[in-house]
Amino acid sequence: DAGVIQSPRHEVTEMGQEVTLRCKPISGHNSLFWYRQTMMRGLELLIYFNNNVPIDDSGMPEDRFSAKMPNASFSTLKIQPSEPRDSAVYFCASSRAGPTKNIQYFGAGTRLSVL
Amino acid sequence: EDQVTQSPEALRLQEGESSSLNCSYTVSGLRGLFWYRQDPGKGPEFLFTLYSAGEEKEKERLKATLTKKESFLHITAPKPEDSATYLCAVQGTDKFYFGSGTKLNVKP
Repeated sequence: DAGVIQSPRHEVTEMGQEVTLRCKPISGHNSLFWYRQTMMRGLELLIYFNNNVPIDDSGMPEDRFSAKMPNASFSTLKIQPSEPRDSAVYFCASSRAGPTKNIQYFGAGTRLSVL
Repeated sequence: EDQVTQSPEALRLQEGESSSLNCSYTVSGLRGLFWYRQDPGKGPEFLFTLYSAGEEKEKERLKATLTKKESFLHITAPKPEDSATYLCAVQGTDKFYFGSGTKLNVKP
């Protein structure tokens, strides 16, 4: 099992640029979560999908953030335009239904720096 | 308001010095409480899930317990490799909430 795969691992960009973060969930998992982690606010849930459908996006901070899940094996989180305050580590996690449902398995994260 | 509070924020132990981390929560319709370990530069790694008051889970030097208002993560005779941030998460009826974590440092 390859686990949740995120890319890139690090992203450095300038304010105003578009940033796209990518996630491949664990095969067979039907729920996918995007989180943001900062020292000040800890781990915050941004949005989650169930069977490729966005269920709760109330954590998305602004309209500059958008997320898509075109199929069961791929999701993107886009920030356009990016701002310095978006600098954080972004995690993707996935989970599956069944007896062990709701256990979320995390990727290694993308460290985003907006200059 | 649903929330999860972890204490202490940081804990320094000598190797072999047992202690406990606390996770207190207020959430409607608890569906599960989860403990994760996070090492620097990595994503949280799942440790335990607890679903009902009175439940306990153990793994090596770690033992997690759950009451109606809080959970404890007991660390028995810790080793330096147990140093990490331990995160508690609670699933309510509609959301998943993470605590801010306890940063554990075990010195040899």
